[in-house]
Amino acid sequence: KAGVTQTPRYLIKTRGQQVTLSCSPISGHRSVSWYQQTPGQGLQFLFEYFSETQRNKGNFPGRFSGRQFSNSRSEMNVSTLELGDSALYLCASSIQTSSYEQYFGPGTRLTVT
Amino acid sequence: DQQVKQNSPSLSVQEGRISILNCDYTNSMFDYFLWYKKYPAEGPTFLISISSIKDKNEDGRFTVFLNKSAKHLSLHIVPSQPGDSAVYFCAASGGGGADGLTFGKGTHLIIQP
Repeated sequence: KAGVTQTPRYLIKTRGQQVTLSCSPISGHRSVSWYQQTPGQGLQFLFEYFSETQRNKGNFPGRFSGRQFSNSRSEMNVSTLELGDSALYLCASSIQTSSYEQYFGPGTRLTVT
Repeated sequence: DQQVKQNSPSLSVQEGRISILNCDYTNSMFDYFLWYKKYPAEGPTFLISISSIKDKNEDGRFTVFLNKSAKHLSLHIVPSQPGDSAVYFCAASGGGGADGLTFGKGTHLIIQP
């Protein structure tokens, strides 16, 4: 089976812009979760989508949003980018909810200048 | 407030010896624990997990121990191999799947030849 794929792998944006990141889960996986990884905070949960519905949300501002399509592919959007949004954004998929083993993609490295 | 703590940012172990990585948690609602391994420029890879109804789970060279009363878990790798050099993350889940996975900040394991 193909693993979790994320596009793009690297992205450079300017403060105030918005960005959309894409994630394709493992075939058959219906749950997609997004995480932000920074050197200071480690891996932090952003949100989880299951069957096109947001199931859980972490402690992030409303500038961070996402959606899931009927084929389980997911997108994450960050509006009005801030310098502190520079991070590695990881997508993970699992068969069931985010409580169980999750399989991560390689991540999208976002740099905000 | 960090609910999952990995107090050793790095650990150096000789090849062939045992590597012991430790993790402490504070949230008594956590009922499922996982270890992930991460190489640079890749997403975390699931290693092994344990449910709170068990105190030990083994998979090849990897064994996870859970001490619920101490809110402590550890990952043992025996024998350690050069390919084990990576960052290891402890993660926890609970409360009916709310809030996704909560990760520790990771321990960088270095296997010395």
